Amino acid sequence: AQKVTQAQTEISVVEKEDVTLDCVYETRDTTYYLFWYKQPPSGELVFLIRRNSFDEQNEISGRYSWNFQKSTSSFNFTITASQVVDSAVYFCALSEEYNTDKLIFGTGTRLQVFP
Amino acid sequence: DVKVTQSSRYLVKRTGEKVFLECVQDMDHENMFWYRQDPGLGLRLIYFSYDVKMKEKGDIPEGYSVSREKKERFSLILESASTNQTSMYLCASRTNGDQPQHFGDGTRLSIL
Repeated sequence: AQKVTQAQTEISVVEKEDVTLDCVYETRDTTYYLFWYKQPPSGELVFLIRRNSFDEQNEISGRYSWNFQKSTSSFNFTITASQVVDSAVYFCALSEEYNTDKLIFGTGTRLQVFP
Repeated sequence: DVKVTQSSRYLVKRTGEKVFLECVQDMDHENMFWYRQDPGLGLRLIYFSYDVKMKEKGDIPEGYSVSREKKERFSLILESASTNQTSMYLCASRTNGDQPQHFGDGTRLSIL
C-alpha cells in the first residue's frame, strides 16, 4: 500500500534557525513521484517541488533544499535561515507512475517561525 | 499564473441540505480534483475528472457527487449534508503531462 508519513506534527523555531521537515514514504512501484506543498494561513496549497524516483540528486532553491534518499524512502525538506513568512503547514505527497493524478498526502507538519 | 477559484471561502449549511461547492480554473486544464482536508488526516481525494462529463471516484466518494459540464468548472455536490462533512474542501487542477496540481484557496464548510 502507498503511504506518506510526516511524523512531526508541529515544529517551532526562532527566525534564522535551520529546520528540516521529515517525509517517509511507502510504495511498491519502482517509478513514482514525490512532492512538497506549502499551505500558508490563507489556505491554498502552493506547489514547491516535484521529484521522480529516478532522480536522486538533491535540489536547492534559494533557502529551500530537498534530500531524496531511496535507500531510506525519505524525501526531507530543509529551510535554511528560516523567516516568519515560512510559517505554514507543509505537506509531502506521493503519486505513482500509472496513477499520477492520485496524490497521497501525508498529514502535514505545521511550522511556526517566531521573530 | 494558474488561477483556481473556489466560489466561497466560508459556508454554513444545515443538515439535510443539498450543498454545491464550485471551482473554476482559468488555464484550460484537462484535469480537476476535489479534496477534503481534516486535522490529522491530511488531504483525501473525493472525486476527480479527466474531461468534460467524465468523473472518477477518489478515496472517499461516499455522500458526494460531482458535475463537470464545462472544462473550466468542476462542482462538488453534497446530496444531503451531514455534520461529518464539516471540513475544509480544496479544489485543484492540472494539465496533462508532467505538471503538478494547482490548488484553490479552499472552502471551509460547516454543517450544523
